[in-house]
Amino acid sequence: AQSVTQLGSHVSVSEGALVLLRCNYSSSVPPYLFWYVQYPNQGLQLLLKYTSAATLVKGINGFEAEFKKSETSFHLTKPSAHMSDAAEYFCAVSGPHMEYGNKLVFGAGTILRVKS
Amino acid sequence: GAVVSQHPSWVICKSGTSVKIECRSLDFQATTMFWYRQFPKQSLMLMATSNEGSKATYEQGVEKDKFLINHASLTLSTLTVTSAHPEDSSFYICSARVVGATYEQYFGPGTRLTVT
Repeated sequence: AQSVTQLGSHVSVSEGALVLLRCNYSSSVPPYLFWYVQYPNQGLQLLLKYTSAATLVKGINGFEAEFKKSETSFHLTKPSAHMSDAAEYFCAVSGPHMEYGNKLVFGAGTILRVKS
Repeated sequence: GAVVSQHPSWVICKSGTSVKIECRSLDFQATTMFWYRQFPKQSLMLMATSNEGSKATYEQGVEKDKFLINHASLTLSTLTVTSAHPEDSSFYICSARVVGATYEQYFGPGTRLTVT
């Protein structure tokens, strides 16, 4: 069965520093991969998605992620953190296969803290 | 594009009463909508998948008689929490899939339910 592991429930970076949020997936078939961001008491906003095209995916707010099949990873990065990036980030997997059952499978989430 | 709204954004009700939450796709048609529940500091838990014109599919452990889901049109799904109890207090989030899109879901802003 498919699963998503986000390493690090909390990540703290200084403003202007590199942001790296880790996501590894487990799937027997090619997945579609997503990163979502959630601000307190709000729903989730789609940051970016990988759907078997380019392995380096650019999203909104300066974020990008690279799909690495050999490492079964889809880590999220941003070159320079901004205070407004402080939020919770969720990695998720889905795809056009019966294995996914038409659903998104979410990781546990990573809370990003940005220090001034 | 791909905006999902929820109403109400928060609600307080007394134990034993029922509460209805609406989820609308504002600028697209959604044959499939999803209902999630999120506990504090946790990831999203899928409760059910709602397909327009048919019965909802509930996840294991979710009481279908307690959480009534209706997807009457391509832009509206409702979740009714019947005979609410304090343990039903939670953050409920709906999402919708764009017809023909690559499996990403667009999320509503969430509804905070407090049962007293």
